[in-house]
Amino acid sequence: EVHLLESEGGLVQPGGSLRLSCAASGFTFSNYAMNWVRQAPGKGLEWVSSISSDSSDTTYYADSVKGRFTISRDNSKNTLYLQMNSLRAEDTAVYYCAKARSASYNSALNYWGQGTLVTVSS
Amino acid sequence: DIQMTQSPSSLSASVGDRVTITCRASQGISNYLAWYQQKPGKVPKLLINAASTLQSGVPSRFSGSGSGTDFTLTISSLQPEDVAIYYCQKYNSAPLTFGGGTKVEIK
Repeated sequence: EVHLLESEGGLVQPGGSLRLSCAASGFTFSNYAMNWVRQAPGKGLEWVSSISSDSSDTTYYADSVKGRFTISRDNSKNTLYLQMNSLRAEDTAVYYCAKARSASYNSALNYWGQGTLVTVSS
Repeated sequence: DIQMTQSPSSLSASVGDRVTITCRASQGISNYLAWYQQKPGKVPKLLINAASTLQSGVPSRFSGSGSGTDFTLTISSLQPEDVAIYYCQKYNSAPLTFGGGTKVEIK
């Protein structure tokens, strides 16, 4: 059974940093692209970032986080990461880790973690 | 970037009604379109990928159609457990944009 478990989020001051992790199990992690999707309180889904499962681990970002967030993966640990720097109030959201249906980033997301709340506030 | 527009933003229908949700892409995306269901307080769930391929375990009352710029999600006979927000998502290329969502309620 596929299982995705995000690390605990938390309260961060504006301008601060936080690293989220997502521990994956139940599938061959190295064979699939992975994603981060967020949902601000009471709002819709927003794609944040993707990382492919090719030899170069190609990464993609939403314009809203480009230059501030970094997605990465450690296939030896079956873990996905999201390093979030220069956090803003508008980054406040539940962050979901989601598995793609294939190795390529341009795939639908067929499994989602339970999500972790990140609150950016002073 | 390609924009994804869903309509309506909300609807209320009776149990047993046929419900149709539309998703329009601002440019053609072939069939790189997914539909997700998010029940209240729950995690999004993939219903349909490639515009019309139903995921395993999803009830057959759900169906998807379309290609290019215009897509539809249809619930052939609305059930109480279908109360949720439905999102479309394009995934042909980054950014993998979601539509704004359609909230489905029971009348």
